[in-house]
Amino acid sequence: KAGVTQTPRYLIKTRGQQVTLSCSPISGHRSVSWYQQTPGQGLQFLFEYFSETQRNKGNFPGRFSGRQFSNSRSEMNVSTLELGDSALYLCASSLAASGSYNEQFFGPGTRLTVL
Amino acid sequence: DQQVKQNSPSLSVQEGRISILNCDYTNSMFDYFLWYKKYPAEGPTFLISISSIKDKNEDGRFTVFLNKSAKHLSLHIVPSQPGDSAVYFCAASANTGANSKLTFGKGITLSVRP
Repeated sequence: KAGVTQTPRYLIKTRGQQVTLSCSPISGHRSVSWYQQTPGQGLQFLFEYFSETQRNKGNFPGRFSGRQFSNSRSEMNVSTLELGDSALYLCASSLAASGSYNEQFFGPGTRLTVL
Repeated sequence: DQQVKQNSPSLSVQEGRISILNCDYTNSMFDYFLWYKKYPAEGPTFLISISSIKDKNEDGRFTVFLNKSAKHLSLHIVPSQPGDSAVYFCAASANTGANSKLTFGKGITLSVRP
């Protein structure tokens, strides 16, 4: 079974630009979560999508947004990029069966550098 | 406010000895805890988990202990191997409904010396 895939793997942008990152979950997984990893803050939760709806949201500004498609693939968008947005963006998928915890499987991440 | 804390940024142990990685949490609503292992340029890989109704879970060389009263958990690796050298993240979840949000610590870099 293929794992979680993320594209692109590396991205360089300049301040003020916007960026879109893509995530394809494991087949059959309906939940997709996004995390930001930085050296100083570790992994921080951005948001989670389930059945094309945002189900959970972390404490990030509105410049960070996402969406999920009917095939469970997800995209996240960051507008008006700032230097501090440079990070590894990780996507994780899970079965998300209700009433129980579901292990999350992570993709390799997209390394975003903002110049 | 860091709800999951891994206060030691790094740990170095000799091959064959025990590695003990510690994690503390502050949120009493957390009821499921996980350890992830991460190599450079890869995403985190699930290692082992424990529910709050248990105090110990073992899987091969890896054992996780949970002390709810102290809001503390630890990961024991015995015996440690050079391939265990990686960053280890402690994570927690409050299982309200189908909540998949994980709260992570900042990670511990484990180095196992041959």
